[in-house]
Amino acid sequence: NAGVTQTPKFQVLKTGQSMTLQCAQDMNHEYMSWYRQDPGMGLRLIHYSVGAGITDQGEVPNGYNVSRSTTEDFPLRLLSAAPSQTSVYFCASSRWDRANEKLFFGSGTQLSVL
Amino acid sequence: QQQVKQSPQSLIVQKGGIPIINCAYENTAFDYFPWYQQFPGKGPALLIAIRPDVSEKKEGRFTISFNKSAKQFSLHIMDSQPGDSATYFCAASRGRGSTLGRLYFGRGTQLTVWP
Repeated sequence: NAGVTQTPKFQVLKTGQSMTLQCAQDMNHEYMSWYRQDPGMGLRLIHYSVGAGITDQGEVPNGYNVSRSTTEDFPLRLLSAAPSQTSVYFCASSRWDRANEKLFFGSGTQLSVL
Repeated sequence: QQQVKQSPQSLIVQKGGIPIINCAYENTAFDYFPWYQQFPGKGPALLIAIRPDVSEKKEGRFTISFNKSAKQFSLHIMDSQPGDSATYFCAASRGRGSTLGRLYFGRGTQLTVWP
């Protein structure tokens, strides 16, 4: 079982560039979410989705877009990268009825914006 | 505003010691309190969790103590081992309504267990 797969593992961007962080899960989970992890800040929710076609904002959504066209995929888009978006990004998934109970996390994408 | 406050930021113990990590919350609507463990280069993984209808939960060497009136909960690791060296996050969430699925994490505790 692959679980939650994130690509790329590492990325360096210049300010103003755009990119998409990919996330895919093979567990048929309805619930998917994106977190960012910064030193000393824990994990903060960016966006989440409770099913295909349904997304909503988390605690720190500014500068990020998401869409959910399939159950499996939940990409995170940075339209114009800023140094403040330098972080480690984690995608997570769960069954909807256990959305709070057990999140399965990917291994993360380390992003640096210069 | 940090919804869940975690301390200490770092903790060093010797093998066999009992590290204790503490968390506090304000929102009385929270009804689920998990702990996640994260090793370097990996995503967090669920370790143990508790609901407020019990005051303690044990799973192997890991124990959560929960004090509903004080709005505090803590993780104890019995007979700690070097392999327990990791970052630990407490979290809290509401199990109902529009906030279903939203976990609020503490800032993390970096635990080092010396052999």
